[in-house]
Amino acid sequence: DTAVSQTPKYLVTQMGNDKSIKCEQNLGHDTMYWYKQDSKKFLKIMFSYNNKELIINETVPNRFSPKSPDKAHLNLHINSLELGDSAVYFCASSGRGRETQYFGPGTRLLVL
Amino acid sequence: GNSVTQMEGPVTLSEEAFLTINCTYTATGYPSLFWYVQYPGEGLQLLLKATKADDKGSNKGFEATYRKETTSFHLEKGSVQVSDSAVYFCALRDSGGSNYKLTFGKGTLLTVNP
Repeated sequence: DTAVSQTPKYLVTQMGNDKSIKCEQNLGHDTMYWYKQDSKKFLKIMFSYNNKELIINETVPNRFSPKSPDKAHLNLHINSLELGDSAVYFCASSGRGRETQYFGPGTRLLVL
Repeated sequence: GNSVTQMEGPVTLSEEAFLTINCTYTATGYPSLFWYVQYPGEGLQLLLKATKADDKGSNKGFEATYRKETTSFHLEKGSVQVSDSAVYFCALRDSGGSNYKLTFGKGTLLTVNP
């Protein structure tokens, strides 16, 4: 059973397009996160939701909009994609104590 | 703000060699400390953690001890295997407030040769 899953795994698109990445967790966790990993492997938090409520919103362009339809899902929509958006995007979730985060396999986004 | 500094890679070792990857941190309050591992083409997996000073986290032969006096959480393994080749991330989670985000170091690429 996959604990944290993301779709798609790979996404290749043109500059200016709008795309979405989906994340689902079946761990019963309340909190979900989006991280961005750049080409040098550096990981940075983007957003976090707890029970569908936004609790972390780092300095991210407003072209990025997270949406949490329920606490098992956290999607990331990106408008007007730019070359610099090329990265690996990881979804993660954590339980009540939020002590340990469990990561999905990542979505590799390439903007041409 | 919080920050994590870990040794620059890449680190290349022969099988059965001793591994140390240094990690130091800056944080307000009393953070929890983590090591995550990312195998090629995969997501991050929790390797070990420690939640208070002098705690030792251990898993799969890896160990790290939470040292408050030196603000460090160095990762060690006595005898590495080829299958340990991966990127290792040190991270902290601050104990204060409602902000539960992880702050990561830049990662250290480990390559173990047979």
